[in-house]
Amino acid sequence: QVELVQSGAEVKKPGASVTLSCKASGYTFTNYGVSWVRQAPGQRLEYVGWISGYNGKTDYARNFQGRVTMTTDTSTNTAYMELRSLSSDDTAVYYCGRWGPLYPLIDYWGQGTLVTVSS
Amino acid sequence: EIVMTQSPATLSVSPGERATLSCRASQSVSSNLAWYQHKPGQAPRLLIYGASTRATGIPARFSGSGSGTEFTLTISSLQSEDFAVYYCQQYDDWRGTFGQGAKVEIK
Repeated sequence: QVELVQSGAEVKKPGASVTLSCKASGYTFTNYGVSWVRQAPGQRLEYVGWISGYNGKTDYARNFQGRVTMTTDTSTNTAYMELRSLSSDDTAVYYCGRWGPLYPLIDYWGQGTLVTVSS
Repeated sequence: EIVMTQSPATLSVSPGERATLSCRASQSVSSNLAWYQHKPGQAPRLLIYGASTRATGIPARFSGSGSGTEFTLTISSLQSEDFAVYYCQQYDDWRGTFGQGAKVEIK
């Protein structure tokens, strides 16, 4: 069965960076992309970006360009997201999900990773 | 950016009753609309895509309808496991935007 397992909760100070992981199983990783979505407290879900599992092509939401980097390791079927220059506004639950290939949406989601940014 | 607005914010329903959730787009998204179910501490689950196509393994009591700017998710007979938060998402704009969520709670 398709499963995406995310890394554990993180606590970071303002200005720091965080790297989250998302390990996929139960499907051919290179046939799909991985998308990252976040939900800050009291806010709606927000697209962060997407990476192709096939060729590593990326797309980042405008709000995160220059501050986010997404990568994959096809040997371990794992996707990573690094977010830099953290502020309290980045406190949120971050979800990864299997994306595409027929439709630009997530059909299987990870369980989420809470990132708390606090001094 | 396409803004998605869900109503009502909270719906109180008794088990076995019908629940109807609405989602409105600020501009036409054709049939590029998905619905998700989310329970606390769990991964969200895709219910509907293409406005009306049930995802793999989704029970027939879940149905979606609509096109353009107005969409509806109907749960024909609520089961205990259906009490959750439901989100709509448009993917006509490739990056997609989500509604604010609608909570279905036990009456």
